[in-house]
Amino acid sequence: AQKITQTQPGMFVQEKEAVTLDCTYDTSDPSYGLFWYKQPSSGEMIFLIYQGSYDQQNATEGRYSLNFQKARKSANLVISASQLGDSAMYFCAMSVNAGNMLTFGGGTRLMVKP
Amino acid sequence: DVKVTQSSRYLVKRTGEKVFLECVQDMDHENMFWYRQDPGLGLRLIYFSYDVKMKEKGDIPEGYSVSREKKERFSLILESASTNQTSMYLCASSLVKGAGLETQYFGPGTRLLVL
Repeated sequence: AQKITQTQPGMFVQEKEAVTLDCTYDTSDPSYGLFWYKQPSSGEMIFLIYQGSYDQQNATEGRYSLNFQKARKSANLVISASQLGDSAMYFCAMSVNAGNMLTFGGGTRLMVKP
Repeated sequence: DVKVTQSSRYLVKRTGEKVFLECVQDMDHENMFWYRQDPGLGLRLIYFSYDVKMKEKGDIPEGYSVSREKKERFSLILESASTNQTSMYLCASSLVKGAGLETQYFGPGTRLLVL
């Protein structure tokens, strides 16, 4: 079975600063994908970034980057230059090759201070 | 852009009612999913579907059924709503059958309150 752990229930960050949201995972499957989603108060889950287990380089998408450390089984999300609109819940999720189901972590609430 | 829509953003129903939650995607995705989200429990998979008329149980299927008569539409049915089904329901879709690593795109969610 797969498991995703997000140990930070809530975090504050000052506007324009960078922030790292932690995610560790556990799976015995060698082929897997790691995803980060943002959920603002409106409720919609917005896909941010994806990292495959065989990808050689860390994924980046604009201000988002994924710090993938395979040996430590961690996939932390880094948001550079935080903006007020980044205030939201952030979920780390994993999918393994046996199917397309996502396993989600418990989420981290990020609050950006002006 | 992928577009996943859900029939209602907010819904209030009474205990014992039959409830239909509709989800439509416009990107010809094979896979569709229904999740519920509850505080402290995260997102949990209820049912998913790889193809028309095909369904598979997720982690918490009890009290729910689904229907997929057309590729773009996936319905979640609460046969007899109960108060413990008060939750946020999220629909998602993804491309490619059984590939395992495709991104799931979510709809805006339906907040269901069962009185």
